[in-house]
Amino acid sequence: GAVVSQHPSRVICKSGTSVKIECRSLDFQATTMFWYRQFPKQSLMLMATSNEGSKATYEQGVEKDKFLINHASLTLSTLTVTSAHPEDSSFYICSARDGRGGSGETQYFGPGTRLLVL
Amino acid sequence: KNQVEQSPQSLIILEGKNCTLQCNYTVSPFSNLRWYKQDTGRGPVSLTIMTFSENTKSNGRYTATLDADTKQSSLHITASQLSDSASYICVVSATQAGTALIFGKGTTLSVSS
Repeated sequence: GAVVSQHPSRVICKSGTSVKIECRSLDFQATTMFWYRQFPKQSLMLMATSNEGSKATYEQGVEKDKFLINHASLTLSTLTVTSAHPEDSSFYICSARDGRGGSGETQYFGPGTRLLVL
Repeated sequence: KNQVEQSPQSLIILEGKNCTLQCNYTVSPFSNLRWYKQDTGRGPVSLTIMTFSENTKSNGRYTATLDADTKQSSLHITASQLSDSASYICVVSATQAGTALIFGKGTTLSVSS
């Protein structure tokens, strides 16, 4: 089956620093990738949708200048949390949509990245 | 408003017992419904996916049902194992631009020995 990886799996950083999270589709090309945030005991919340080679589409209330998304290739999208603050501490999950044939709607999720901002 | 409601919020059962999780949705137009298992600190993993015309789908000890008329789905777990302890999330896909996914808040299942 399709595999999506994330790196790092967990990161601790100081307040004010920037953190980059990578999301890769390992065995398929993903024209669209999604970034979610999940707080404890809460559902996944879509932050943004990124299409390869174009600007990301952000959900209402998500600051695009704070959460920079780059989708430079069909297998890699990155999320950079700029000037991170403790309230940005969360579990960040990416997913990739496999655009091949009949499975075009299926989203495959990465294992997530735990961010802790001190 | 598109919504997915799951019940119960949490559930504790003994190893070997069966259980059923519920999902009610108000999503239109409907495309498909998925059940995911999410272990603590991990990303969701797909268990089943059902379209409008399907009313049951099995994956090992997991059996999902769908009643598109009443907009209800259930996930039945048979002969539970300790490794079934996780959060189970119902996700409904709306047929619209971008194929939006509407997530339920999940049911946290704890299987004890």
